[in-house]
Amino acid sequence: NAGVMQNPRHLVRRRGQEARLRCSPMKGHSHVYWYRQLPEEGLKFMVYLQKENIIDESGMPKERFSAEFPKEGPSILRIQQVVRGDSAAYFCASSPPATGTTGELFFGEGSRLTVL
Amino acid sequence: QKEVEQDPGPLSVPEGAIVSLNCTYSNSAFQYFMWYRQYSRKGPELLMYTYSSGNKEDGRFTAQVDKSSKYISLFIRDSQPSDSATYLCAMGGGDKIIFGKGTRLHILP
Repeated sequence: NAGVMQNPRHLVRRRGQEARLRCSPMKGHSHVYWYRQLPEEGLKFMVYLQKENIIDESGMPKERFSAEFPKEGPSILRIQQVVRGDSAAYFCASSPPATGTTGELFFGEGSRLTVL
Repeated sequence: QKEVEQDPGPLSVPEGAIVSLNCTYSNSAFQYFMWYRQYSRKGPELLMYTYSSGNKEDGRFTAQVDKSSKYISLFIRDSQPSDSATYLCAMGGGDKIIFGKGTRLHILP
């Protein structure tokens, strides 16, 4: 049973380009969370999605960032016009429908974005 | 005041010692309390999950929650070099799960 799959694992972009990060949740999981992690800082909540719905995006910057979790296919975190401050590790986590937001999250290995 | 406070360390202890890791929180709405372990360049993995005040034990790990003091702890007995990692506390309630900054732990052989 494959775990949470994130790709790419490493992504390098120049300022002004777009970054797309993908997350395939564990089989049977319908809840997806995105977190950002900077060195010496914890995991910062960005957005919580269920299939075709954004449940909570209170942690996501209002501009340049968007997330989706379509009926078919992976969840995508999109960052437009990247800036150096967007350089970070972005983690995706999933949970099964039964647990919802109880905290039993299964994390991927992360996507490390470097903006030059 | 931040919602979750956690000392970032680093914390270095000799092999075999008992390790105590702690977090405080301010939001009374938190209902679920977790500890995650994160090795370098890896994703966090769930170690312990508790719902109510009290203790929960799993092998060498014991999680403790004191809701009245808004304080949670993780104890590691007979610590091993393989326990060297960053430990993140996390709390959930409603639609959000909030993580502490993590404590870097080094077990010295």
